[in-house]
Amino acid sequence: AQSVTQLGSHVSVSEGALVLLRCNYSSSVPPYLFWYVQYPNQGLQLLLKYTTGATLVKGINGFEAEFKKSETSFHLTKPSAHMSDAAEYFCALQTGANNLFFGTGTRLTVIP
Amino acid sequence: DTGVSQNPRHKITKRGQNVTFRCDPISEHNRLYWYRQTLGQGPEFLTYFQNEAQLEKSRLLSDRFSAERPKGSFSTLEIQRTEQGDSAMYLCASSWGLRLRETQYFGPGTRLLVL
Repeated sequence: AQSVTQLGSHVSVSEGALVLLRCNYSSSVPPYLFWYVQYPNQGLQLLLKYTTGATLVKGINGFEAEFKKSETSFHLTKPSAHMSDAAEYFCALQTGANNLFFGTGTRLTVIP
Repeated sequence: DTGVSQNPRHKITKRGQNVTFRCDPISEHNRLYWYRQTLGQGPEFLTYFQNEAQLEKSRLLSDRFSAERPKGSFSTLEIQRTEQGDSAMYLCASSWGLRLRETQYFGPGTRLLVL
């Protein structure tokens, strides 16, 4: 069975501070892992993905994530938060099947 | 490449009515997916097409739900005899590839409210 756990349904950071959104997964096969961002009343936009190879993955808008197999984690980071980063972030897992399994999401608030 | 589009963006209906949503995938994408997202939750997989063939259906897809992709291009999702529990955002995604686990690109969603 596979699952995704996002720790913290709400995260608040000050503008310019480090952003850290946590994601842990469970999978019986090597996973593909994704981070998507969702702005209010919009669909999901792909931030970055890990398939195989390099474990540090860089995405759009200055985000990056590191795949740590030993910790079954795929945390999302950004060195300096911007007001435009305020949104909901979803970690997702894809195994042998085609469909994605999503976490419950983390709402990021950026405080000016 | 205009991205995945969905229509309508919003739909309000009364309980018991039928509704139909449309999804137009990215041109040339051979795979199309439907997900449902309820408030405060992540999207949940409903069904998936490769070209015109519906290859997988989640147990979430009750008998009142039917999806089609008749010519392997756009897709429709119909809900019959809607219930208040059907209120959710319905998301469509598409991907291209011949292997498994190709990246999925999402549309803006259709938000359904059943009164």
